[in-house]
Amino acid sequence: AQSVTQLGSHVSVSEGALVLLRCNYSSSVPPYLFWYVQYPNQGLQLLLKYTSAATLVKGINGFEAEFKKSETSFHLTKPSAHMSDAAEYFCAVSEPGGGNKLTFGTGTQLKVEL
Amino acid sequence: DTAVSQTPKYLVTQMGNDKSIKCEQNLGHDTMYWYKQDSKKFLKIMFSYNNKELIINETVPNRFSPKSPDKAHLNLHINSLELGDSAVYFCASSLGRGEGPQHFGDGTRLSIL
Repeated sequence: AQSVTQLGSHVSVSEGALVLLRCNYSSSVPPYLFWYVQYPNQGLQLLLKYTSAATLVKGINGFEAEFKKSETSFHLTKPSAHMSDAAEYFCAVSEPGGGNKLTFGTGTQLKVEL
Repeated sequence: DTAVSQTPKYLVTQMGNDKSIKCEQNLGHDTMYWYKQDSKKFLKIMFSYNNKELIINETVPNRFSPKSPDKAHLNLHINSLELGDSAVYFCASSLGRGEGPQHFGDGTRLSIL
């Protein structure tokens, strides 16, 4: 069975500061990994995905994530936070051949302060 | 153009009623999903259809019945609604059954009185 752990249900950063959202996964096979963002009263939007190609994945809005197999991690980073980045972020995992079934973490609420 | 659209956006009803939520996608995808997001924002998959065939059926009460009349539509019917069914229900779609990214609708907020 696969699972995802997101450390920190709430993260607060200053505008212009580094954003680091943590995600660790558990999977019996090499997984596919995703980060989604959810703005208030909206659906989820894909930020980036890892599907066994390059371990450093670049996504939209300046976000990137690095797959580290030895640490079973897929942390999301952005060098400089913007007010518009305030949202809920979800890490998700799926297993190849598993019908694209996504298992989500519990989410991290990112707050950006002036 | 809305890629994945759900109706209604809000649904307020009483316990014991039967209700349906509709989902349509115009992305040409062949796989569609239903997710439930609870009050703590935890997301869990309920069902998935590929070309009208049920491929994922998680542990969901049989009061929930998905129906896919064609690959662009996936509806969710809920019988005998209970307080615990209050949640936001999201429809999503993707191309194929592999690692294709899933595109989500804006959700249907279901409130049971």
